[in-house]
Amino acid sequence: DVKVTQSSRYLVKRTGEKVFLECVQDMDHENMFWYRQDPGLGLRLIYFSYDVKMKEKGDIPEGYSVSREKKERFSLILESASTNQTSMYLCASSLLRGRGNQPQHFGDGTRLSIL
Amino acid sequence: GESVGLHLPTLSVQEGDNSIINCAYSNSASDYFIWYKQESGKGPQFIIDIRSNMDKRQGQRVTVLLNKTVKHLSLQIAATQPGDSAVYFCAEENTGGFKTIFGAGTRLFVKA
Repeated sequence: DVKVTQSSRYLVKRTGEKVFLECVQDMDHENMFWYRQDPGLGLRLIYFSYDVKMKEKGDIPEGYSVSREKKERFSLILESASTNQTSMYLCASSLLRGRGNQPQHFGDGTRLSIL
Repeated sequence: GESVGLHLPTLSVQEGDNSIINCAYSNSASDYFIWYKQESGKGPQFIIDIRSNMDKRQGQRVTVLLNKTVKHLSLQIAATQPGDSAVYFCAEENTGGFKTIFGAGTRLFVKA
């Protein structure tokens, strides 16, 4: 089975801190994604990556950046954390270059609280 | 705009009964559809998918039906069990596009 591992289940940070969320997948998937999940708003795409060193903005990239230096690892960075970034963050990966036609496999999420 | 919606935000069924979760999609260009299950404290888990050249696909205790005429997707769970209690999301993709559109989710409660 595909395993997507997020480094932290729960994280508490302070406003203005730089925050790193890490995600690792073990199935050699080309595509990796970062979402946030908020009640009533569903899953919203922050960034995605088709390959190493590649990144594309999703629907809500403001205040975030990403890094993909190795194929198996995709990092989400909150440059200067704000309280409105308190949320559940989900990482996902999928097979094949480009989009579509393969399901995404998700990690169990990082619940991030910004105080 | 493009959206994937759900008719019922919550569904309560008796253990052993069949469950049907519905989803409407608005993008007629979507050609790939996925159902995910999300249990409390976990990430979404892939259940079953279907491509637009099919009307029906069956898995273990689950069946997905696609009606392209009315842009409707449904997930049927046979002999629902307590372990089926979760939030279920539908999602749509367009092969020529780049994003997955997720529905808001339906919470399924299974009564023992």
